[in-house]
Amino acid sequence: KAGVTQTPRYLIKTRGQQVTLSCSPISGHRSVSWYQQTPGQGLQFLFEYFSETQRNKGNFPGRFSGRQFSNSRSEMNVSTLELGDSALYLCASSFGAGGETQYFGPGTRLLVL
Amino acid sequence: AQSVTQLGSHVSVSEGALVLLRCNYSSSVPPYLFWYVQYPNQGLQLLLKYTSAATLVKGINGFEAEFKKSETSFHLTKPSAHMSDAAEYFCAVSSFNQAGTALIFGKGTTLSVSS
Repeated sequence: KAGVTQTPRYLIKTRGQQVTLSCSPISGHRSVSWYQQTPGQGLQFLFEYFSETQRNKGNFPGRFSGRQFSNSRSEMNVSTLELGDSALYLCASSFGAGGETQYFGPGTRLLVL
Repeated sequence: AQSVTQLGSHVSVSEGALVLLRCNYSSSVPPYLFWYVQYPNQGLQLLLKYTSAATLVKGINGFEAEFKKSETSFHLTKPSAHMSDAAEYFCAVSSFNQAGTALIFGKGTTLSVSS
């Protein structure tokens, strides 16, 4: 079974631009979560989607948004990029919700100049 | 609120030596606990998971962890380190309720293995 895939793997943007990252979960998984990883803050939860509905949201500004499609694929969008948004963005999928194991993709490394 | 503390941001061992990575958690409800490993330029790979079925959990690559409720700990061990174990290790607790699910991670421990 194929794992979680994320595209693109690397991205360079400039301040003020917006960016969209994509995540395809493991086949059959209905929950997708997003995390931001930075050297200073570590791994932080962004949001979780289950059956196209955002079920949970971390403590991030409204510039960070996401959505999930009927095939469980998910996208996250960051508008008005700031230098501090440079990070590795990780997507994770699980079969359902409620503490089930989350399987991570390779991440998208975003550099904001 | 749930939280995770990993003691020691960097641990160095010799090849063949015991690996011990420490994790303490805070949770008001019985937790689900995880250990993940991250190799350079990669995502997180699940090592093992505790779900209250057994206090000693065996994972992949010879790693295991013991859940100790009285100490609120979930330390990761491996009897004999290999060079290939050099990576960053993250302990996490799963927070889930009616609002959804989220993994709360510790700051991570970088394991170095010398020959």
